[in-house]
Amino acid sequence: AQKVTQAQTEISVVEKEDVTLDCVYETRDTTYYLFWYKQPPSGELVFLIRRNSFDEQNEISGRYSWNFQKSTSSFNFTITASQVVDSAVYFCALTNYGGATNKLIFGTGTLLAVQP
Amino acid sequence: DSGVTQTPKHLITATGQRVTLRCSPRSGDLSVYWYQQSLDQGLQFLIQYYNGEERAKGNILERFSAQQFPDLHSELNLSSLELGDSALYFCASSAGQGGQPQHFGDGTRLSIL
Repeated sequence: AQKVTQAQTEISVVEKEDVTLDCVYETRDTTYYLFWYKQPPSGELVFLIRRNSFDEQNEISGRYSWNFQKSTSSFNFTITASQVVDSAVYFCALTNYGGATNKLIFGTGTLLAVQP
Repeated sequence: DSGVTQTPKHLITATGQRVTLRCSPRSGDLSVYWYQQSLDQGLQFLIQYYNGEERAKGNILERFSAQQFPDLHSELNLSSLELGDSALYFCASSAGQGGQPQHFGDGTRLSIL
């Protein structure tokens, strides 16, 4: 069975601090995709990144970076120099590749509160 | 703006009623997905359609049904509503299968009184 675990329910930081959101996944598939989504207080779900299981290169996009490690089944997300606008719930998600469906299996989310 | 349009944004109704949620996918996307977000269940996959055909079912109640029309828009029908059906219902679309990112609409917040 597929499962995504986000053990951090809530994180509070002060603006300009760096913060890492953890994501651990379980799957029997050899090929799969991992995602991060952001849900700001307004409620919409915003796609941030997709990573396939063959690509373990870390990725950086501005203040955001992602560390994918197959050896530990983790796909962690780091925000550098956090800002108040980063306050949101962040979801990690998993889907397989090549099956009948690529439904997303979501973690329970991490609420990030960035204080000014 | 994700390009996925959901209507209505808010819906308030009573137990036992029936409602229809509508979704227009991004231009060119063939796959439509429905998800339910509730406090106790989190984000749960309900159902997927691909080019008009049902592709997969998740934790969708028998009281719920959906369809995708030839123009690719989709509707989620919820009937015999119960208090526990109160949730945020999201529609998402993707170009096809194979792990393409799913882009979400703003959701329909359903409140059952």
